Amino acid sequence: NAGVTQTPKFQVLKTGQSMTLQCAQDMNHEYMSWYRQDPGMGLRLIHYSVGAGITDQGEVPNGYNVSRSTTEDFPLRLLSAAPSQTSVYFCASRSGRETQYFGPGTRLLVL
Amino acid sequence: KQEVTQIPAALSVPEGENLVLNCSFTDSAIYNLQWFRQDPGKGLTSLLLIQSSQREQTSGRLNASLDKSSGRSTLYIAASQPGDSATYLCAVRPLSGANNLFFGTGTRLTVIP
Repeated sequence: NAGVTQTPKFQVLKTGQSMTLQCAQDMNHEYMSWYRQDPGMGLRLIHYSVGAGITDQGEVPNGYNVSRSTTEDFPLRLLSAAPSQTSVYFCASRSGRETQYFGPGTRLLVL
Repeated sequence: KQEVTQIPAALSVPEGENLVLNCSFTDSAIYNLQWFRQDPGKGLTSLLLIQSSQREQTSGRLNASLDKSSGRSTLYIAASQPGDSATYLCAVRPLSGANNLFFGTGTRLTVIP
């Protein structure tokens, strides 16, 4: 049982480039979400999904897209990277309103 | 909007000491509260989950309490060890908008051998 996995672990982008952060879970959780963590701030919700085919915006969705074609996968797309998107990104999953499980994170640097 | 505060931001204690980490939140309409541990450069590991109807939860040397009416939670660590050194985060899940967790900025704990 791998839990929540994320790739890549680290990425450097130039302003304007696009990329996809991958997230997968093998716990058959219906809820998945993406958070970003910035120094001096708590984790903030970007987008979330309550099941395959259903996504919605969180607190800081601008500049990001998501899709959920399967229960297992929840990729996060940066459409046109900006320096303000330099952050650590965490994917998480849960069943119901219970314990939230987090992936190891992706460190993104936008130059 | 729910605001979660953790004080102190950093704490150093000698090995073997018992310690308390504090978490406060502004809106008592919560579904549950969760304590996490984060090691440098790593993801978050769930330590304890307290439902709004509960007063405390225990796991090994850890005990978390919840006073929903006053908007406070504490994480008690008994007989601290150097391996307990990490950042501890608390997060609340609101009753409305329950798809979001609101996080504090954490307390960075250092246990000195």
